[in-house]
Parts: sequence; C-alpha cells; structure tokens
Amino acid sequence: GAVVSQHPSWVICKSGTSVKIECRSLDFQATTMFWYRQFPKQSLMLMATSNEGSKATYEQGVEKDKFLINHASLTLSTLTVTSAHPEDSSFYICSASLGGRGSHTGELFFGEGSRLTVL
Amino acid sequence: GQNIDQPTEMTATEGAIVQINCTYQTSGFNGLFWYQQHAGEAPTFLSYNVLDGLEEKGRFSSFLSRSKGYSYLLLKELQMKDSASYLCATPWGSSNTGKLIFGQGTTLQVKP
Repeated sequence: GAVVSQHPSWVICKSGTSVKIECRSLDFQATTMFWYRQFPKQSLMLMATSNEGSKATYEQGVEKDKFLINHASLTLSTLTVTSAHPEDSSFYICSASLGGRGSHTGELFFGEGSRLTVL
Repeated sequence: GQNIDQPTEMTATEGAIVQINCTYQTSGFNGLFWYQQHAGEAPTFLSYNVLDGLEEKGRFSSFLSRSKGYSYLLLKELQMKDSASYLCATPWGSSNTGKLIFGQGTTLQVKP
C-alpha cells in the first residue's frame, strides 16, 4: 500500500502560538489530501480537503483562517493551527488516496497522526 | 444527507467470535470500508465491500447488503490485540476521490 508520513507525531504548545503539521506522501503523488480531527473517544471528523496548487475546501464549521492548509507540491500538505487555544487540543490525522489507481476505489492511507496539546 | 450508525462499545472474550454492525444512509454509494484504530494511532485498512455478500480475509470477514444499507465486520478467534476501535466508512456521495465519511466507531474490548 501507499505510505503517508506525518510530522510531528506530538506537539505541546502555549496558548496563542501557531503550530504546523506536515503530511507527506512518500511513494506516490497525491493531488488531494484530507485532514481529519479526532477528539478522545470520538470518530474522525473531516476538516478539509487539501488540493495541490489551489485553495483547500473546508467542511462546514471549520474556520479556514484558523486552520491554514497549504498543498504546494504533489507530496506535501501542511496544516497550520493559528493562535492555538486549549480547545484545539486534538489528534490531527492526514490522509491521501490513490483514487482509482489503488487496490480499492477511494481507499484512504493515513499518516501516523499528530497529537496537539495546547496549554 | 449521509449518516452512519454503529454501536459505541462491545465486549467479547478471547477466542470467541464478535460481529460489529454498521448501518448507513448515503446519497450515492461507492463501497463501504472498515478500518481498525488502536488507541493513539492512525486507522489501518481492514476491508472494502462494494458488492453484496461476504468477503473473507483470514480471521476478519465483512458483509454488505446494499438494499438494506447494512454491513457487518466479523472477527473470529479473538485475540487480545484485537482490542481497538473499528470504524465503518463510506465515500462521500458517489465519489472515488478518497473523501470518506466515518461512523462514530465501535470500541471493542477483548477480555481473557
């Protein structure tokens, strides 16, 4: 299967600071990546679709000015949590799909996840 | 709209068989996925069903009934390492871009 790498795996920051999380597709090119957020004991909630070379598409209720997404190359998407607050503490997971080229249509390959704790 | 329902928690005994159900309502249909997620880790792919019937893969099997909007994941010969959350997911609408909508997940606890 395809490999997606995410960094950092965990980060602790002070309230009001910004944090950048990177998501890389290591052995394939991903024109589209997805960013999910997961709170404890809850399922994955799609935040946004990251599109290479264009603006990200945000889901309803997700602030685009707070969660900045940049997809400057076919192998890298970044999520920046700006002016982080304790309520932003969560598990952020990126994912990518091979589209119709994968073994299963639409199968998602996930990064390792990044656990953000805002003090 | 789209909606996916699955039980929140289940408990089973090591060596036993457990069935985790999932019901879904989608505007289109392009398959149903099951993922396994251990605490603090990213989900890993278990199975994909797009046609009705049972797909068997080792100790894990997945079943789909499109007419009933129903799927289940069957885990046989349970092992302690199977304690995890199991997520049911479908593609958004009828797309195949990888945009998945997830159920709330079923936390399975396997006891000795």
